[in-house]
Amino acid sequence: DQQVKQNSPSLSVQEGRISILNCDYTNSMFDYFLWYKKYPAEGPTFLISISSIKDKNEDGRFTVFLNKSAKHLSLHIVPSQPGDSAVYFCAARASNSGYALNFGKGTSLLVTP
Amino acid sequence: EAGVAQSPRYKIIEKRQSVAFWCNPISGHATLYWYQQILGQGPKLLIQFQNNGVVDDSQLPKDRFSAERLKGVDSTLKIQPAKLEDSAVYLCASSGGSGTYEQYFGPGTRLTVT
Repeated sequence: DQQVKQNSPSLSVQEGRISILNCDYTNSMFDYFLWYKKYPAEGPTFLISISSIKDKNEDGRFTVFLNKSAKHLSLHIVPSQPGDSAVYFCAARASNSGYALNFGKGTSLLVTP
Repeated sequence: EAGVAQSPRYKIIEKRQSVAFWCNPISGHATLYWYQQILGQGPKLLIQFQNNGVVDDSQLPKDRFSAERLKGVDSTLKIQPAKLEDSAVYLCASSGGSGTYEQYFGPGTRLTVT
């Protein structure tokens, strides 16, 4: 049962434009959300997170938006750079499950020059 | 600060053989996780340790998988006997103090079972 869903397996964006990666979830007990970035042959790297008490968190070029009523979050990258090309995973933590994370299947982002 | 270390990076074994993976977490991180990532999927939690105690092993196939974290630092994940469907990347992650949900991952061990 996939509780965190990333319905777009891939996304291609031109350098300098905005990249928007989407994530939906089904578990109403999720209270903390994270985005990870993964390059080939490396482990996932933490990128940005947001608590369920907020609707936006910004860190440099990266902004995460959370819409609790829609059970939807998105990651915006502005401006996109070729080095941002990677697989992005959305993850969520449930308040009743300790610190374990539930991951989506990932979205492969390609930023073209 | 050194990151999460894992070894080996790659392993190829035949089905029914056994294999072990090692993880050394970030210094001072009390919580350690083992994840299995099958190609095209996100990481799936196998087991979570808090110091040297097991917090969650509900998704660990206990008939063939075992894990330990002696002395609350290093951890070993073992598969015996391996099946073809165990082919995956095994990721170790650790996390630090209270109120911190970010987990830091090692490079993973890619296991191929033939």
